[in-house]
Amino acid sequence: QQQVKQSPQSLIVQKGGISIINCAYENTAFDYFPWYQQFPGKGPALLIAIRPDVSEKKEGRFTISFNKSAKQFSLHIMDSQPGDSATYFCAPRMDSSYKLIFGSGTRLLVRP
Amino acid sequence: EPEVTQTPSHQVTQMGQEVILRCVPISNHLYFYWYRQILGQKVEFLVSFYNNEISEKSEIFDDQFSVERPDGSNFTLKIRSTKLEDSAMYFCASIPRREGGEQYFGPGTRLTVT
Repeated sequence: QQQVKQSPQSLIVQKGGISIINCAYENTAFDYFPWYQQFPGKGPALLIAIRPDVSEKKEGRFTISFNKSAKQFSLHIMDSQPGDSATYFCAPRMDSSYKLIFGSGTRLLVRP
Repeated sequence: EPEVTQTPSHQVTQMGQEVILRCVPISNHLYFYWYRQILGQKVEFLVSFYNNEISEKSEIFDDQFSVERPDGSNFTLKIRSTKLEDSAMYFCASIPRREGGEQYFGPGTRLTVT
């Protein structure tokens, strides 16, 4: 199965707060675990990604935590800013065709 | 910075008409994809293309859909007879190589079928 479950559907955070978005998957054929950020009217853009041999990756204010045994990975946005307001998708990649299987998305609103 | 481009940005067509959506992937990329996003929903995989042939397609990608890379730069998606439910944003994406390949998405074409 290729199902990817993402939560929450929407999230409101105050400026400076921490935003946490979760993704659970079933398929063990995923080899790469990215998070994409999408602004209205734009295409998805890679935010941060992790490979399954690593449990955590940090890039600036963005951190991915990966739990291979639980088949879950999460995005943490520290010190959230109004400019982070966007829709976020987890989109694990199939190891054969490299196609991305997108989660349902999380609409993040960071209040000033 | 190189980017994926798509034209047109918005296409309005009548049901039953043929449409061609165009994409220019980043020049040294080898793998090409089409995805679609119905308004307010998640992004869905349609088709992948490598070495001038389809490598995988989803159940959405039926006989009404086709892809082509006619001249080594453009990558097109054709819908032969559009249906109302084809209304969506269509995104082209590409990756440069097998390992470590971030998928670069174009800005999308909004297709409206009336």
